Amino acid sequence: DIQMTQSPSSLSASVGDRVTITCRASQDITSYLNWYQQKPGKAPKLLIYTASSLQSGVPSRFSGSESGTDFTLTISSLQPEDFATYYCQQSYNIPRTFGQGTKVEIK
Amino acid sequence: EVQLVESGGGLVQPGGSLRLSCAASGFTFSSYAMHWVRQAPGKGLEFVSAINYNGDSTYYANSVKGRFTISRDNSKNTLYLQMGSLRPEDTAVYYCAREAYDISGSCDYWGQGTLVTVSS
Repeated sequence: DIQMTQSPSSLSASVGDRVTITCRASQDITSYLNWYQQKPGKAPKLLIYTASSLQSGVPSRFSGSESGTDFTLTISSLQPEDFATYYCQQSYNIPRTFGQGTKVEIK
Repeated sequence: EVQLVESGGGLVQPGGSLRLSCAASGFTFSSYAMHWVRQAPGKGLEFVSAINYNGDSTYYANSVKGRFTISRDNSKNTLYLQMGSLRPEDTAVYYCAREAYDISGSCDYWGQGTLVTVSS
């Protein structure tokens, strides 16, 4: 199975901060990397697919990038509604595997 | 509007069985692959199983292979997960999710989840 290593596991940030979350795949997954946001008690929501494509309806402050097997989710200016847990997921093969999550908390 | 509504969760004893259902609406169900993803209390997301658009191909996580069976009834717009030989570590919220129609393999719509608790 492909291992997805996400960092950091948590971070504290203020409204307006630029936030970066990283995900590393254990092997080449080309661009088959997706990002999800999950709020407490809610289902995950797709933010970014194929590393850098913004899902319809998702604010443009969210962006994704890749460099080899390293992938990054960036929130350019953190908003109050962005405090949540973020997961990466590889869709290169099955089983789909997720990173362990990054909890973004209010500083 | 795309909707996925899971049902069938509950409390079951270790070794028992349960069948989850996911009723789909607002899209052409028979054109989409579907997934089950679970989340143990306070933990992260874990792929459980997937099925292609017509049910010919199915996939499982190693942790559930041989115990769980995914299926679908396209005439009823419903996805199923038959769970057997349940273990305490199967306790989780189970989500059904639609795989996007593009080649990304992402899950673009999710249900609200149904809680399965395996305990004596």
